[in-house]
Amino acid sequence: KQEVTQIPAALSVPEGENLVLNCSFTDSAIYNLQWFRQDPGKGLTSLLLIQSSQREQTSGRLNASLDKSSGRSTLYIAASQPGDSATYLCAVTTDSWGKLQFGAGTQVVVTP
Amino acid sequence: GAVVSQHPSRVICKSGTSVKIECRSLDFQATTMFWYRQFPKKSLMLMATSNEGSKATYEQGVEKDKFLINHASLTLSTLTVTSAHPEDSSFYICSATIQGSYSYEQYFGPGTRLTVT
Repeated sequence: KQEVTQIPAALSVPEGENLVLNCSFTDSAIYNLQWFRQDPGKGLTSLLLIQSSQREQTSGRLNASLDKSSGRSTLYIAASQPGDSATYLCAVTTDSWGKLQFGAGTQVVVTP
Repeated sequence: GAVVSQHPSRVICKSGTSVKIECRSLDFQATTMFWYRQFPKKSLMLMATSNEGSKATYEQGVEKDKFLINHASLTLSTLTVTSAHPEDSSFYICSATIQGSYSYEQYFGPGTRLTVT
């Protein structure tokens, strides 16, 4: 059974520092990996999607890498801002219907 | 593009009543829709997968008679919580994948906060 783990569970950094969020999964047979952002009481905002054949994706200050063979993905957020404060979730697609398996998330606080 | 809406955003109901939550894909046709439940400070737990015109596939431990899912069209899926009890209070989120898309990317609704008193 696929298990997704996110480390750390919580992270607090001063504004301007780079953020590094880790995600690991136990079964490398994935279709893709997605990173999401969730603000308190809100739904999910998709940040980046990396297909299983890709190694990384970039969008603005965000960069996500994928090493499928080792079951790891890392989300980098450059020059963090207080507005980046949120919970970040990673999830892997495990079947052809698109079923997602989520990690527990990393709660990020960026202090001014 | 790829917007998913949910209605209502918040609902409070009395114990024993039923509540229906709608999930709509506004600008695309959805092959598959998913329903998740999220407890406070926890991650999303997949409840069921629904395909238009077919019976939903429920995850282990989810009561299909309590959580009725209907996917009547390619743009609408509904989740009905029957005979709701306080332990059903939670944040329910739906998502959808685009018909014909092979990226398997899911687009999420804003969620519905259910409180059962």
